[in-house]
Amino acid sequence: NAGVMQNPRHLVRRRGQEARLRCSPMKGHSHVYWYRQLPEEGLKFMVYLQKENIIDESGMPKERFSAEFPKEGPSILRIQQVVRGDSAAYFCASSPTSGGYSDTQYFGPGTRLTVL
Amino acid sequence: AQSVAQPEDQVNVAEGNPLTVKCTYSVSGNPYLFWYVQYPNRGLQFLLKYITGDNLVKGSYGFEAEFNKSQTSFHLKKPSALVSDSALYFCAVRDGGTGGFKTIFGAGTRLFVKA
Repeated sequence: NAGVMQNPRHLVRRRGQEARLRCSPMKGHSHVYWYRQLPEEGLKFMVYLQKENIIDESGMPKERFSAEFPKEGPSILRIQQVVRGDSAAYFCASSPTSGGYSDTQYFGPGTRLTVL
Repeated sequence: AQSVAQPEDQVNVAEGNPLTVKCTYSVSGNPYLFWYVQYPNRGLQFLLKYITGDNLVKGSYGFEAEFNKSQTSFHLKKPSALVSDSALYFCAVRDGGTGGFKTIFGAGTRLFVKA
């Protein structure tokens, strides 16, 4: 059973470009979370999605950031007009269909975004 | 609002000695507590979680954690440390009351196990 897949693993963008990060959850999981980790810091919650629904986006910056989890295909975290401060590791996690508070989240290997 | 604190940036232990990585939390409802480990350039790996019931939770790789409601703590422990345990450890909490599905992570504690 494949784990959570993220691609690309490394992404380099110039200021003003767009970054698209993809996450495929574990088989049988329909809940996806996105987190951002700055160097030497913990993970900061960004958004929680179920298929075709954004459940909690309280951690998402108000501008330039968006996320989706379509009925078919991976979840996408999109960052428009990137700035140097967006440079970070972005982690995706998935959890089983039950979606309860006690569900364990399983993490992908992360995408390391560098903005030049 | 929920929060979690890991008061030690770094813990140093000799191989074979017991280790403790500390975590305290604050929630308004029932706490759901998790420990994860992160190796360099990797994602987080789940170690264990506390939901309800027995205060001593056993997890992967010989780790365990003790839930203490009165002290609002959930310290990670292992009786005998291995060099391979050296990594970054994160405590996380979900608030079963008002926190929704947001999981709050601590800043992390770096564990060094010396041979």
